[in-house]
Amino acid sequence: NAGVTQTPKFQVLKTGQSMTLQCAQDMNHNSMYWYRQDPGMGLRLIYYSASEGTTDKGEVPNGYNVSRLNKREFSLRLESAAPSQTSVYFCASRAQGIMNTEAFFGQGTRLTVV
Amino acid sequence: QQQVKQSPQSLIVQKGGIPIINCAYENTAFDYFPWYQQFPGKGPALLIAIRPDVSEKKEGRFTISFNKSAKQFSLHIMDSQPGDSATYFCAASFQTGANNLFFGTGTRLTVIP
Repeated sequence: NAGVTQTPKFQVLKTGQSMTLQCAQDMNHNSMYWYRQDPGMGLRLIYYSASEGTTDKGEVPNGYNVSRLNKREFSLRLESAAPSQTSVYFCASRAQGIMNTEAFFGQGTRLTVV
Repeated sequence: QQQVKQSPQSLIVQKGGIPIINCAYENTAFDYFPWYQQFPGKGPALLIAIRPDVSEKKEGRFTISFNKSAKQFSLHIMDSQPGDSATYFCAASFQTGANNLFFGTGTRLTVIP
């Protein structure tokens, strides 16, 4: 049982380049999330998807787009990378329902934009 | 603005000490308060969680204290060990919708042998 898998683990981009961060979960969770983690800022929500076919903006969506490809996969795209997007990105998934449940996180993608 | 405020930013204790990390929230609609533990190079993992109808929850050496009237909650680590050295995040969530987690800014804990 792999849980939440993110690729790549590390990436260096030049300003203006584009890339897609991939995320897949095998726990049959409805909800999936993309967070970025910066020193002193904690984890900030970029986008989320409550179910297959739906996506919504979080706290810091500017400069990003997402696709919920199917129930398992949720990708994050940077169309034109900027140095301010240098961060560690985490994908997470969570079962949805009346009772709050544990969110499972991937190992993270460390992105540097030069 | 920050939905959940966390302090301190960093904490150093001796082995066996009891580090305490504090969090405060404003939105009284939050009804689920987890703590996550993160080791370097890893993703956060759930440590312990509490609901607002309970004032305290203990799991092993980890205890959450919850004060609903003050809108505050805290994590206590009893008999801390060097292996507890990690970053700790408090969070809050609503029961409805996509159940987004709103995180505090994190506390880096170092336990000295």
